[in-house]
Amino acid sequence: DQQVKQNSPSLSVQEGRISILNCDYTNSMFDYFLWYKKYPAEGPTFLISISSIKDKNEDGRFTVFLNKSAKHLSLHIVPSQPGDSAVYFCAASIGGATNKLIFGTGTLLAVQP
Amino acid sequence: DAMVIQNPRYQVTQFGKPVTLSCSQTLNHNVMYWYQQKSSQAPKLLFHYYDKDFNNEADTPDNFQSRRPNTSFCFLDIRSPGLGDTAMYLCATRWGGAVEADTQYFGPGTRLTVL
Repeated sequence: DQQVKQNSPSLSVQEGRISILNCDYTNSMFDYFLWYKKYPAEGPTFLISISSIKDKNEDGRFTVFLNKSAKHLSLHIVPSQPGDSAVYFCAASIGGATNKLIFGTGTLLAVQP
Repeated sequence: DAMVIQNPRYQVTQFGKPVTLSCSQTLNHNVMYWYQQKSSQAPKLLFHYYDKDFNNEADTPDNFQSRRPNTSFCFLDIRSPGLGDTAMYLCATRWGGAVEADTQYFGPGTRLTVL
């Protein structure tokens, strides 16, 4: 049973526009959420996280929004750049980042120049 | 640069032939993880070490074993690989000492193919 779902396998966006990557979860016990970015032939790298006590966290061009009632989070990238082209994984845990991460299947973002 | 290194990057083995994957890290992290990621699926945690303490996930097959001889190295042993074990195997590390714990740092992975 997939507890963290990324229903869009891929997304294509023009350079300079906004990229919105979505993630849904089913376990209401999740209280910490992360986004990882993965380039080909490299391991995933941490991008941004959010605790369930917040509904928004921002880091430069990257903003994560959390809607607990809908069990939904999204990653906004503004403006999108060609170097942002990668696979983005959503992950969730219970009890903070120290605990087991449950990953989604990833979304491949292609930013077109 | 401090990093997580996995060897080999690509491994082909025959059905039933034991294989060992290696992970080393220069980050001096005390927690090390092994994930399995099959094609188009999410990375799935197999087990992790917190210092020397081994923590196995309930649904990890007995066919998968791990060793951590020291802080820097961790091995994944697959005793009798089946065709279904074809996957990318990711190693990750984390410093597990702080309240606001560090995130996981991943290696590039080993792509294992079982023929």
